[in-house]
Amino acid sequence: ETGVTQSPTHLIKTRGQQVTLRCSSQSGHNTVSWYQQALGQGPQFIFQYYREEENGRGNFPPRFSGLQFPNYSSELNVNALELDDSALYLCASSEGTDSNQPQHFGDGTRLSIL
Amino acid sequence: GENVEQHPSTLSVQEGDSAVIKCTYSDSASNYFPWYKQELGKRPQLIIDIRSNVGEKKDQRIAVTLNKTAKHFSLHITETQPEDSAVYFCAAKRASGGSYIPTFGRGTSLIVHP
Repeated sequence: ETGVTQSPTHLIKTRGQQVTLRCSSQSGHNTVSWYQQALGQGPQFIFQYYREEENGRGNFPPRFSGLQFPNYSSELNVNALELDDSALYLCASSEGTDSNQPQHFGDGTRLSIL
Repeated sequence: GENVEQHPSTLSVQEGDSAVIKCTYSDSASNYFPWYKQELGKRPQLIIDIRSNVGEKKDQRIAVTLNKTAKHFSLHITETQPEDSAVYFCAAKRASGGSYIPTFGRGTSLIVHP
């Protein structure tokens, strides 16, 4: 059984650019959630994908978008990057969308905006 | 939306002592409360969780209690060890439009002194 993996581990971008972060879910997990974790804060829910469709979203603007693929991998895309987007981005997969399904996190991508 | 408050932000104890971290939530519809441990530079790891129909759950040195009426839940670690040192996050999950949205607390940095 493989765990959740994310790439890249670190990334530096400048304001206004676009970025794509990638996540490979744990085998058998059809649900993936993305989080933004600023330094010294708890993870903030961005959105969740289930069977390739977005089925829940937190308080993030439309320039944060995502995709989920049939092989359980997923992407987080952020357009028009702002300085405040600097954070650790975590993805987490689970077996389903029920509230009590445990989530398994990846190591995250550290995004720095200059 | 949901609001989760976590206290204290920092907790320093001697090895062998007990540690208690408390969280309150605002949305009575929240029904699942996981706790995560995040070591420096590593992914959050689920250490224990509790569902809203249960008042207490224990797993070796770790226990969680839930008071639905007062809307608060607590993490208890007994016989603390230096390897328990990490940041601990509570979360509350509530249903929203067919999915379940998690809200995390801001974290408690636990330091266990040998």
